[in-house]
Parts: sequence; structure tokens; C-alpha cells
Amino acid sequence: GQQLNQSPQSMFIQEGEDVSMNCTSSSIFNTWLWYKQDPGEGPVLLIALYKAGELTSNGRLTAQFGITRKDSFLNISASIPSDVGIYFCAGQENSGYSTLTFGKGTMLLVSP
Amino acid sequence: DAMVIQNPRYQVTQFGKPVTLSCSQTLNHNVMYWYQQKSSQAPKLLFHYYDKDFNNEADTPDNFQSRRPNTSFCFLDIRSPGLGDAAMYLCATSRDRGLGEQYFGPGTRLTVT
Repeated sequence: GQQLNQSPQSMFIQEGEDVSMNCTSSSIFNTWLWYKQDPGEGPVLLIALYKAGELTSNGRLTAQFGITRKDSFLNISASIPSDVGIYFCAGQENSGYSTLTFGKGTMLLVSP
Repeated sequence: DAMVIQNPRYQVTQFGKPVTLSCSQTLNHNVMYWYQQKSSQAPKLLFHYYDKDFNNEADTPDNFQSRRPNTSFCFLDIRSPGLGDAAMYLCATSRDRGLGEQYFGPGTRLTVT
């Protein structure tokens, strides 16, 4: 089945640094989503992208839908300790009857 | 606030003893999903309901069943839990089938003793 390659697998950074992570797929997606999951909680939707080339921000977070429709990027600027968590990308292959495919997640650790 | 609610947050059951997890939503969404998530892994879709239409994933074990008695509620039944079924179970909703955005509940952590 479809697979998403999410990288990096983990990151350990200093507070205030910027962070980038990405997901790539072998086929075209119509929708890209980015979620954050805190320990013991469900994933929370951060950003949804629906058009190739789309660049969307949510506070310090910015995500882009790659123009090839096979990749997406998430950037976090000026990281703070509460950014700690696991970030998942998820994609939907077509706008019809299809479910989400998840990446394996990027664990982000932020040192104060 | 509109939301997805899961009860209980923590559930302990014995090996082989049936257990039911519940999910409710106030979003009035048409689609409800059940995912299984094991430690350090991505959520794995078990099945979903589009309205009353049940859709099972091909690799979901028969041990897992689901019920959706109305728009707001959905249940996950594990008929004979094994040690390998210990996991976080996540309920999610989406407004319609063609829309990617899914909204997750806080999850139920299942322990099997």
C-alpha cells in the first residue's frame, strides 16, 4: 500500500531554534495534514493543505503543499518547550472515498 | 465547544474478557473512525462508519467489532482481548468522506492483564 516517508525521525534542539520536517510519498496526494500528538493524548490537527503550492501558517507553524503533490513540509519558528511532542504528517490520495495515510512521525525535543 | 469525547481514558481488562470502548462527538460529523496506536507508531485505521455504512480495513482482526447506534456515538468492541491488543485506541471524525480533515479524541489507553 501507499507509504509516507517522514523525516527526520527525531530532533533535539535548543529553545528558540527553527525546525523543519517533511513528508514524501510515491504517489500524488490531494490533501496534506499535519498533526501534533502529546504523550497520552490524541493527535491535534495543526494545518490542513488542499492545493499544490499552498503555503499556510498557524502562529509559529508554517506548512507547504509541494508543487509535485508528492511532498509537504512543516516549519516551526522560534521553538519553545511546549512544542515538544510527536508531529505526524498525513495525506489523502484523492478527494473521493479514501482514508488517510500517516507518516511514522517526528519526535521533537526542545531544550530550555 | 464541539469535540470528540472518549470514555474511559484508561481501561484495564483481563486476557479474553470482552471490553467496549466508547466515543461520542458533538461535531455532527458524518464519518467516525477507530484507530489503534501502539507505542512510537503512527495510528492504524481499524474501520470507519460513513453514516451507517460500516467499512472494515482488510487487515483488521475479526476480534474487533464496531457499532454506531446514532450519529453521535460509536463503540469499539474487542471480543477476546489478547496481550497484543494493549494499545491506545483513538476515535476520530470527519465532516464527510471526501474531506481529509479528521478530528481526534483524547484516546483510551487499554491495558490487558
